[in-house]
Parts: sequence; C-alpha cells; structure tokens
Amino acid sequence: AQSVSQHNHHVILSEAASLELGCNYSYGGTVNLFWYVQYPGQHLQLLLKYFSGDPLVKGIKGFEAEFIKSKFSFNLRKPSVQWSDTAEYFCAVFNAGGTSYGKLTFGQGTILTVHP
Amino acid sequence: EAGVAQSPRYKIIEKRQSVAFWCNPISGHATLYWYQQILGQGPKLLIQFQNNGVVDDSQLPKDRFSAERLKGVDSTLKIQPAKLEDSAVYLCASSLTRGTSSYEQYFGPGTRLTVT
Repeated sequence: AQSVSQHNHHVILSEAASLELGCNYSYGGTVNLFWYVQYPGQHLQLLLKYFSGDPLVKGIKGFEAEFIKSKFSFNLRKPSVQWSDTAEYFCAVFNAGGTSYGKLTFGQGTILTVHP
Repeated sequence: EAGVAQSPRYKIIEKRQSVAFWCNPISGHATLYWYQQILGQGPKLLIQFQNNGVVDDSQLPKDRFSAERLKGVDSTLKIQPAKLEDSAVYLCASSLTRGTSSYEQYFGPGTRLTVT
C-alpha cells in the first residue's frame, strides 16, 4: 500500500524566512502529487499539483514544489513566508494506476506557524 | 461556483448512538469521496463513489459505517453504533469524471464529530 511521509509535524518561522517542507512517498508506479493547505477555520484547498512535465511546479501565493522521482520526494518551498501562511500543509499522492486507481493518500500534515 | 456543502458542521453524541452526515458535491462532479481525519493525522479515504456506484470502500468499517449516494448526487454517511475512536472530522470531497480532471478533489468544510 502506498504511504506518504511528511518530515516535520510543526515548523515555526519568522516572517521573511525561507520555508521547505519535506514529503516522501512510497509508490513506484504512476503518481500525481499535490500539496493542500488548510488555513485556520477554513477547508482544505489545493496549493499546487504535479501531473507530468517540468518537475518544478508553481502554485498559488508564491509556493513551489519540486518532484524528484529518484528520491520519491515532492518538497514544498517558499523563499519568504508571511504571517498569513500560518496553516497546516498536507502532501498527497494520487495513485494513477493499478488496483487503487483514483485513490488519494495524504501525509500526516505539517503545521506551519509564522511569527510576525 | 458553489463549493462542496456538508452538514451538520458539528455533532456531539454518546457512544453507541447513531449519527448521519450529509454531503452535496459541486454540480456536475461525478465522483464523491468521504474521508475521516483524526486529530493530528491526514485525511483517510473511507469510500469513493462514481455516480451512484461504489468504486472503493476497502477502508470503510462496514460493521458500523454505511454510505449511500442515491441518484448520483447527494450522499450520506452513517455511523451506527458510534465508538469513542470515531471522534474525527468527516470530510466530503468531489471531482469531475475520470481522466486528469478527476485528479483534483474539492473539499467541503467537514463535520466535526465528538463521541463521548
């Protein structure tokens, strides 16, 4: 069964600091990769996605992620965080083949707290 | 465009009682998902519908959980009888038909269930 691992449970940064959240998955087949964000009091929303092509993908609000197939990783980055980035971030892997077609598996989430 | 609607937003019940959650997906979305999100964990898929048929219910505890999607639109998820470990947020999501457009799931606000 596929699994997704996020390296940090809670990350605390000051505004303008750089951010990198780690994500690794354990599936060797065709996958599509996502980062979702949940701001306080709001529902899960899509931050960015990777389907194919350029492994460096850009999302909303200045976030980007790099897919490294050889490392089974899809790390999220932002060069300069803002207080409004305080949220919980989830990495998710979509199994695009095999018997679990269409299944989205989430990591356990990383809480990001940004101090002004 | 209206998002995924869920009700109720909060529910408190005693163990061994029953509870039902309702979900109305985005108009035109053929695929509907129910997830369980326990505090400190990522969402876990319980059941996936394609129109009104079940695609994947491998992680649904069928001795106490049931779900239906009559007419391929709204869906209800029921727990009977509830256990303490069922305390969680129950998320509904929807996506378009199969194909790359089906990989993007849109989430509702969730129902927070507390079992005492």
